[in-house]
Amino acid sequence: SYELTQPLSVSVALGQTARITCGGDNIGSKNVHWYQQKPGQAPVLVIYRDNNRPSGIPERFSGSNSGNTATLTISRAQAGDEADYYCQVWDSSTGVFGGGTKLTVL
Amino acid sequence: EVQLVDSGGGLVQPGGSLRLSCAASGFTFSTLAMNWVRQAPGKGLEWISYISSSGITKYYADSVKGRFSISRDNAKNSLYLQMNSLRAEDTAVYYCARGGYGGYTFDYWGQGTLVTVSS
Repeated sequence: SYELTQPLSVSVALGQTARITCGGDNIGSKNVHWYQQKPGQAPVLVIYRDNNRPSGIPERFSGSNSGNTATLTISRAQAGDEADYYCQVWDSSTGVFGGGTKLTVL
Repeated sequence: EVQLVDSGGGLVQPGGSLRLSCAASGFTFSTLAMNWVRQAPGKGLEWISYISSSGITKYYADSVKGRFSISRDNAKNSLYLQMNSLRAEDTAVYYCARGGYGGYTFDYWGQGTLVTVSS
């Protein structure tokens, strides 16, 4: 079965740029989606199909995908960005999530 | 405004059954695929099932295949998950999620309903 690997945690200073990676075998050939989840809340889609933002998501959120790594980039990080982030793909009619990354804004 | 309201969770004994529901509003339910995603306490997200807009195509995670069944009633704007032969490891918050942007991303989520499997 297909696996996605994310770092357990990433820290970023307030106002700086955070990058969260998602590794998978030839993930660049798949559409990658990213979700933000704050404690006690349902997840929210922040990036779909590698690099597209749903309406209402700030331009500070962007994505890229190539080779074996997809990346979620959060520019000018704010305290409100502190959350768990999950990448997701579809493989062989199965939804697959990464293990999640806890983003801490210092 | 798109709304998904999950219900039906509760405490059930191992081996028991439960039926979850998701009431949808604010969009044309019959035109979009739907999914169930769960999250065990303190753990990450796990996709468990997909159903196409017509209800004809269904997919399941290996962890629930043969025990869980997804269905929908487009006339009632409702999604369901029938869960049988429940195990302790099925304890989780269960979310319904709309299949947006071509069907294979989860663009709107319900608030979740907690299922606890314990004796």
